[in-house]
Order: sequence, then C-alpha cells, then structure tokens
Amino acid sequence: EAQVTQNPRYLITVTGKKLTVTCSQNMNHEYMSWYRQDPGLGLRQIYYSMNVEVTDKGDVPEGYKVSRKEKRNFPLILESPSPNQTSLYFCASSLSWGNTIYFGEGSWLTVV
Amino acid sequence: EDQVTQSPEALRLQEGESSSLNCSYTVSGLRGLFWYRQDPGKGPEFLFTLYSAGEEKEKERLKATLTKKESFLHITAPKPEDSATYLCAVQANQAGTALIFGKGTTLSVSS
Repeated sequence: EAQVTQNPRYLITVTGKKLTVTCSQNMNHEYMSWYRQDPGLGLRQIYYSMNVEVTDKGDVPEGYKVSRKEKRNFPLILESPSPNQTSLYFCASSLSWGNTIYFGEGSWLTVV
Repeated sequence: EDQVTQSPEALRLQEGESSSLNCSYTVSGLRGLFWYRQDPGKGPEFLFTLYSAGEEKEKERLKATLTKKESFLHITAPKPEDSATYLCAVQANQAGTALIFGKGTTLSVSS
C-alpha cells in the first residue's frame, strides 16, 4: 500500500530536549516536505526537499532542521524544542515538485 | 503575496441538501489548485487537482471547478459521511514553492 509513514504519532517532551520525527514513503517520490498545522493559521510549510541531498527552507523553518540522505526518508529534527513548536506536524511527498502531494497521518507534538 | 481564502468557515447541511464551498486565491502564476478533505486528527486526503480556468473534475458527490480567481467545490446530495474539513491549496509556478493552504471549510451533514 502506497503511504507516507510518520513516527512518533504522539509525543510529549520537555523544552530543550532534542527530538526527531521520522518520515518514510514507499512510493519512490522525489519531492518531500514537512508542514505544521495550527488552529487559525492552517497548514504551513517548514522545509522541503526536491531530491536526495537537496533541501530548502519553507515558510516557517526557524527551530527546525532536516536531512535527506536517502530518497525514502526525510526526518524532521528539533534541536532544542520550545513550547511554540507545540503543533500537529505532517510529512508529505509527491512524485516530483508540482505533482499531487500526499500527506502522512500526522504527529502530535507537545513541548512543555 | 500568494494567498487563499475559503468561505464559509463552517457549513451545516441536511442530508441531501446540495451546496458549494468557495476558494478565492491570488497567486503569481498558478501551477495548480488542490482540494483536500481532512478528518479530525488525520492527514489531508487528496481529492482533486485543477490546472487551468474552465477545468472541472468530479468524484462521487463532489465536483470541483476553477476560474481565474476562484474555485468551487460543489457537493450534491451530501451524506453524513461527507462531514469533514475541506481544504483548498494553490501552488505557484515556481519550482520548489510550497502549497499555500486556506484555513478550510468545516462541513457538517446531519441525517
């Protein structure tokens, strides 16, 4: 089954404790991206990757890092999480930029 | 600045009562307009992509249309299982640009 898989789905962590949210897709997609969804603000892009080893900032990249060492994986790294990073995070992928984007199930992150 | 405005924010319908959701957009060169459905706590589920004015796409009770300034999602004879938040997004015609999402329309269909 074609899918975008994120882990963990739910996480409560403390301020400053580094964490990684993993994302994997099994569709051989070139383009991958991360979004966060907040009430009243909608979905906003954090980072994206056009292909392996090619990443760039989206609209709200502050406080986040990404890497793309393999085509199927695109982890989101929070080096020093803060409470304003409490949000619902979605990983997404598409065959290439401009094609239909498919989303994962989401990761609920709470930073206390 | 690229932006997307969806209306209404919320819509309550009786089962079988047809209606339309609106998505107004401004974008510097449209690559595509996307409609997604999102259920509470779930990821957006792809519905349609529209690329040019005049284009229409249908899927079951849903029909999406596109003009140069807006898109409509028409829901014909809705059922309770159509209850969800419907998201509209645009992508500009510049490589790498993100989907710009509207805030969504939350549809509730009662039997």
